[in-house]
Amino acid sequence: AQSVAQPEDQVNVAEGNPLTVKCTYSVSGNPYLFWYVQYPNRGLQFLLKYITGDNLVKGSYGFEAEFNKSQTSFHLKKPSALVSDSALYFCAVRSHSGAGSYQLTFGKGTKLSVIP
Amino acid sequence: DAGITQSPRHKVTETGTPVTLRCHQTENHRYMYWYRQDPGHGLRLIHYSYGVKDTDKGEVSDGYSVSRSKTEDFLLTLESATSSQTSVYFCAISASSDSYEQYFGPGTRLTVT
Repeated sequence: AQSVAQPEDQVNVAEGNPLTVKCTYSVSGNPYLFWYVQYPNRGLQFLLKYITGDNLVKGSYGFEAEFNKSQTSFHLKKPSALVSDSALYFCAVRSHSGAGSYQLTFGKGTKLSVIP
Repeated sequence: DAGITQSPRHKVTETGTPVTLRCHQTENHRYMYWYRQDPGHGLRLIHYSYGVKDTDKGEVSDGYSVSRSKTEDFLLTLESATSSQTSVYFCAISASSDSYEQYFGPGTRLTVT
């Protein structure tokens, strides 16, 4: 079974400082990895994905994520946080193959608060 | 919210009543999904569809049924609502099993009293 852990329920960061939201995963075989963001009373918005290739992937709104196979991690990063980045962030994983391989498994979410 | 609408957006119902939530897409995508979002649980898959009349169970399917008679519509039915089904329900779509990312609708907030 595949699973995702987001070890921090909440992350606080000062505006202008770099931010990191952590994610670790467990899956059979090679993973597909995703980050989504949810603003209050909205649906989830896709930020970025790792499928294969470069371990550093870039996405929307200046976010990037680093895939680390040995540590089974996919941490979300941004060099300089904005107040408007304050939201709920979800990491998700799916496996490359097998029954139900198109099913995403989500972490529990991390609330990011950027302090002016 | 990528050509996906959900109706109703908010609903309050009583325990034991049937409830149907609708997801409508204009993207002609093959795959559609229903999730529920609860604090401390993230999103959990209820049911999904891989084509018209083709559906399968997800992680938390007990108490729910689905139907898909047209590509654009995916219905989620709670046959007899319970308080444990109070949640926010999200529909998602993807073009194929290899299109990787899913796109989400705006959600339906359901309260069962």
